[in-house]
Amino acid sequence: EVQLQQYGTELGKPGTSVKLSCKVSGYNIRSTYMHWVNQRPGKGLEWIGRIDPANGNTIYAEKFKSKATLTADTSSNTAYMQLSQLKSDDTAIYFCAMTTEGNWFAYWGQGTLVTVSS
Amino acid sequence: EIVLTQSPTTMAASPGEKVTITCRASSSVSYMHWYQQKPGASPKPWIYDTSKLASGVPNRFSGSGSGTSYSLTISSMETEDTATYYCQQWSSNSYTFGAGTKLELK
Repeated sequence: EVQLQQYGTELGKPGTSVKLSCKVSGYNIRSTYMHWVNQRPGKGLEWIGRIDPANGNTIYAEKFKSKATLTADTSSNTAYMQLSQLKSDDTAIYFCAMTTEGNWFAYWGQGTLVTVSS
Repeated sequence: EIVLTQSPTTMAASPGEKVTITCRASSSVSYMHWYQQKPGASPKPWIYDTSKLASGVPNRFSGSGSGTSYSLTISSMETEDTATYYCQQWSSNSYTFGAGTKLELK
């Protein structure tokens, strides 16, 4: 069974950074793309970017190019996303997700709620 | 970036009623994918490659469309179908979602 494990909550102060993790079991992340999607309170889904863990290649949605940095550690089968220069507008649930057999998100983590507050 | 416009934004359906949700793309796309999300939960893949049902999805659901117009249809609404449904596309190394359609029980 494929599982994507994320921690529940993160609290960050304005202007600081947070690093989220997504540990995958049941699937080798070298064989997939790892994505990050956010959902602001009461709003819809927004794609942030993806990483190819096999080579570290990344692509980002335009609005997140200076906000998010995606990395992956194939030895621990874990993907990471660092969010920098946090603002209140970054308060959201951040999901990791995998595309495996096409350009659709076949597996999702349970999400990490990031709250930005002083 | 391709923009996806879903309609309606919100709708209510009675048990047994047929439901259709539409997703229109600002430019032609090859496939459309759909997700179901219930409050407090992660999105679940629901329909992929326009018309293929994800694992465990009841066959009262179907998907269709091409080019810039796609739809998700429920042949007979059931209580458990209350949720928000999102369409999603991939094109030119960019993934976008529709704003969602909230489906409620009448």
